[in-house]
Amino acid sequence: QLQLQESGPGLVKPSETLSLTCTVSGGSISSSSYYWGWIRQPPGKGLEWIGSIYYSGSTYYNPSLKSRVTISVDTSKNQFSLKLSSVTAADTAVYYCARQQRFRGGPSWFDPWGQGTLVTVSS
Amino acid sequence: DIQLTQSPSFLSASVGDRVTITCRASQGISSYLAWYQQKPGKAPKLLIYAASTLQSGVPSRFSGSGSGTEFTLTISSLQPEDFATYYCQQLNSYPPPLTFGGGTKVEIK
Repeated sequence: QLQLQESGPGLVKPSETLSLTCTVSGGSISSSSYYWGWIRQPPGKGLEWIGSIYYSGSTYYNPSLKSRVTISVDTSKNQFSLKLSSVTAADTAVYYCARQQRFRGGPSWFDPWGQGTLVTVSS
Repeated sequence: DIQLTQSPSFLSASVGDRVTITCRASQGISSYLAWYQQKPGKAPKLLIYAASTLQSGVPSRFSGSGSGTEFTLTISSLQPEDFATYYCQQLNSYPPPLTFGGGTKVEIK
């Protein structure tokens, strides 16, 4: 059974870089059938896709965040990572990682999801 | 960007009720839509993909339909464990972004 687990600091200072890692267990991140994605949810609000990566390193980013986001993959550790730079209070959210089915050549629906990790941006 | 508008944003229903949630896309997306259920403090769970394909393990009381710009999620007989927030997501990754609807919260009447 595939499982994903987010890890990283729960508190980040404004203007600094948020860094999270998602560890995949129970399956290989190098599968050709899947992408790996990051999604966030501000407290009490809806879901926002951040970006996705294929095991080869090919990435898709949300244009609204693209200038601040870097997603990378480490197939040797079965992990992928998120970096979000120049954070503000608006970046406070629960951050989820998830597997995405490769569909029409790109990332699509998310299943399964990690449990999520709350990242608060505050001084 | 493709915008997804869910309606209603909130609904109150009783156990056993038939519930329908609508998701409208700002442009045609064929059948490229998924539905998720999220309970408080938990990650979303995939219910349906490609508009009408039930994810493995999801009860058959859940069904999805639609294509183009209008989609529906139907719960044929609402169960106590179905009280949650439901989101739709469009599956066109190019051009990005992948987008979600604003959510529909289903509460107990």
